[in-house]
Amino acid sequence: ETGVTQSPTHLIKTRGQQVTLRCSSQSGHNTVSWYQQALGQGPQFIFQYYREEENGRGNFPPRFSGLQFPNYSSELNVNALELDDSALYLCASSLSAGGLGYTFGSGTRLTVV
Amino acid sequence: GENVEQHPSTLSVQEGDSAVIKCTYSDSASNYFPWYKQELGKGPQLIIDIRSNVGEKKDQRIAVTLNKTAKHFSLHITETQPEDSAVYFCAASYSGAGSYQLTFGKGTKLSVIP
Repeated sequence: ETGVTQSPTHLIKTRGQQVTLRCSSQSGHNTVSWYQQALGQGPQFIFQYYREEENGRGNFPPRFSGLQFPNYSSELNVNALELDDSALYLCASSLSAGGLGYTFGSGTRLTVV
Repeated sequence: GENVEQHPSTLSVQEGDSAVIKCTYSDSASNYFPWYKQELGKGPQLIIDIRSNVGEKKDQRIAVTLNKTAKHFSLHITETQPEDSAVYFCAASYSGAGSYQLTFGKGTKLSVIP
């Protein structure tokens, strides 16, 4: 059974640019959630996708958007990057909502300069 | 919304001693409480979890207790080993229809001194 894989592992972008992060969920998992983890903090919920539809969103502006594909893989897009967007972005897949049975990927470290 | 407080932020123990990390939550509707271990350069890994209908759960050297009345839960690690050194996060969620997020504490950096 494969785990959750994220790409790229590291990324440096300039303020104002756009970025796309990718996540392949664990085999059989139909729910994908994205979290932002600032340095020294706990992960913060961005949004969740279930069967290709967003079904929950945290306190993040609309410039954070996402997609889930028929194979349950997912993308996180961030437009108009700000310096404060620098963080580790984590993808978690599961068979159900509410955090039950989450499997996290190793994350993408985004640095905005 | 839910708010999770975690203490202490750092914890150093001698190898073989016990470590205890405590969390409180604010939303009485929360019914699922996982604990995650995060090593450097890796994503959080679930180490144990507990649901609100259970007061205590144990898995080898790790145990979690839950006090619903006081809205707090704790992680206990016995016979600590150097490989237990990591950042530990508690979290809470409502695991039911319409639920979608885990709310995390800010983490505890555990150092086990050989």
